[in-house]
Amino acid sequence: AAGVIQSPRHLIKEKRETATLKCYPIPRHDTVYWYQQGPGQDPQFLISFYEKMQSDKGSIPDRFSAQQFSDYHSELNMSSLELGDSALYFCASALGDQAYEQYFGPGTRLTVT
Amino acid sequence: AQSVTQLGSHVSVSEGALVLLRCNYSSSVPPYLFWYVQYPNQGLQLLLKYTSAATLVKGINGFEAEFKKSETSFHLTKPSAHMSDAAEYFCAVCTSYGKLTFGQGTILTVHP
Repeated sequence: AAGVIQSPRHLIKEKRETATLKCYPIPRHDTVYWYQQGPGQDPQFLISFYEKMQSDKGSIPDRFSAQQFSDYHSELNMSSLELGDSALYFCASALGDQAYEQYFGPGTRLTVT
Repeated sequence: AQSVTQLGSHVSVSEGALVLLRCNYSSSVPPYLFWYVQYPNQGLQLLLKYTSAATLVKGINGFEAEFKKSETSFHLTKPSAHMSDAAEYFCAVCTSYGKLTFGQGTILTVHP
C-alpha cells in the first residue's frame, strides 16, 4: 500500500540558510500534519492543513511557513536556519479534518551546521 | 489542555517476559489515545488506538492496551517480549483537529 512520502530524507544546511521539506500524503488523504522531533525528544506538533487550508497551528516558529497545494502535497519552508532547528521532521496524513488515525512518513532529518 | 505522561523513560525486559509500558493521560473530555512505536532512524508506526469503543484494544505485533478511566491510564502490554520489540514507544492523545500530543517516550530494551 502507498505510504506517506517525504523528501528529502536527509538535508544538511548551514546557519541562516533556507530549507524546504516536502510531504506527499497517501492518495485520497486530504489532511497533513507536520511534527518536529528534536534529538531525544518527543514529536512536537507544528502545523496542519485540511483541504488546503491551515486547520491548526502549534509551536511553529515565525521563520517557518507551510502550505498545502491543490494535489494535497505540503511543503514546510524554513528560513534563517538555526542550530536548534536540527531535528527529524515528520509529516503525517489522514482522511478528514477530525481524523484520529494518522499515517506517518519516514521523516526528513535536517542537520544545521 | 490534554496531555499524556509516560512513566519510565527506559524499560528493560528479558526475551519472553511481560512488557508493560505505562501511560497516564490528562483530559477534560473523553480522550482518543494512541500508542506509536519508533525504530531507530525510522518514522512512527501506529500500534493501536482507543476511540471510545472497547476499553481493551488489541494492536499489531501482539500488543494491547486497556483504557481505565478511573485510573486515567492507557498502559501498553505484551505477554511475551521478542528481541524485535526493542524500540522507542510513544503514547499520544489526540486533541483538536487530530493534532497529536505525545508523551516523552519509553525506550524498551529486550535482553536475550
